[in-house]
Amino acid sequence: AQKVTQAQTEISVVEKEDVTLDCVYETRDTTYYLFWYKQPPSGELVFLIRRNSFDEQNEISGRYSWNFQKSTSSFNFTITASQVVDSAVYFCALSEPPGANNLFFGTGTRLTVIP
Amino acid sequence: KAGVTQTPRYLIKTRGQQVTLSCSPISGHRSVSWYQQTPGQGLQFLFEYFSETQRNKGNFPGRFSGRQFSNSRSEMNVSTLELGDSALYLCASSLNRGVNYEQYFGPGTRLTVT
Repeated sequence: AQKVTQAQTEISVVEKEDVTLDCVYETRDTTYYLFWYKQPPSGELVFLIRRNSFDEQNEISGRYSWNFQKSTSSFNFTITASQVVDSAVYFCALSEPPGANNLFFGTGTRLTVIP
Repeated sequence: KAGVTQTPRYLIKTRGQQVTLSCSPISGHRSVSWYQQTPGQGLQFLFEYFSETQRNKGNFPGRFSGRQFSNSRSEMNVSTLELGDSALYLCASSLNRGVNYEQYFGPGTRLTVT
């Protein structure tokens, strides 16, 4: 069965600090996809990244970076030099098999960036 | 390009009533998925529609149903409302089926059941 665990319920950081959001997943499939979404106070889920199970390369996009490690079933998300606009709830999600659009979400991590 | 729109944005209903929520996908998108978000259960997949057919269904009772029209607009219906149905209902559209296609989410409909 699929499971996504985000152990950090809430995190507060001071602006310009770096912060890492943890995500651990469970799946029996060898082919799967992992996602990160951001949910600002407006409520819409904003897509951040998609990574398939065969691509363990880390990725950097501006101040965002992702560390995917199959050996530990983790897909962690780091924000460098955090800004107030980064304050939101961040969700990690898993999808399997490849043909399905249904996402299994973690419980989310609420990030507050203090100016 | 207009994003995913959901109507109404807020809704208050009484236990036992039924409700219909609407989702208009991004123009050209053919797949629509629905999710329920509650403080207790988090974000849970309800169902996915593609080409007017339900392709995938989450673990929800039969009181939850949906449909998709030929223009890809989708509606979901909840009959015999219960207090536990109070939630934010999110709709997502994607160009096609499959995880290769990014899902774009709407702002949601917040349903309160009293």
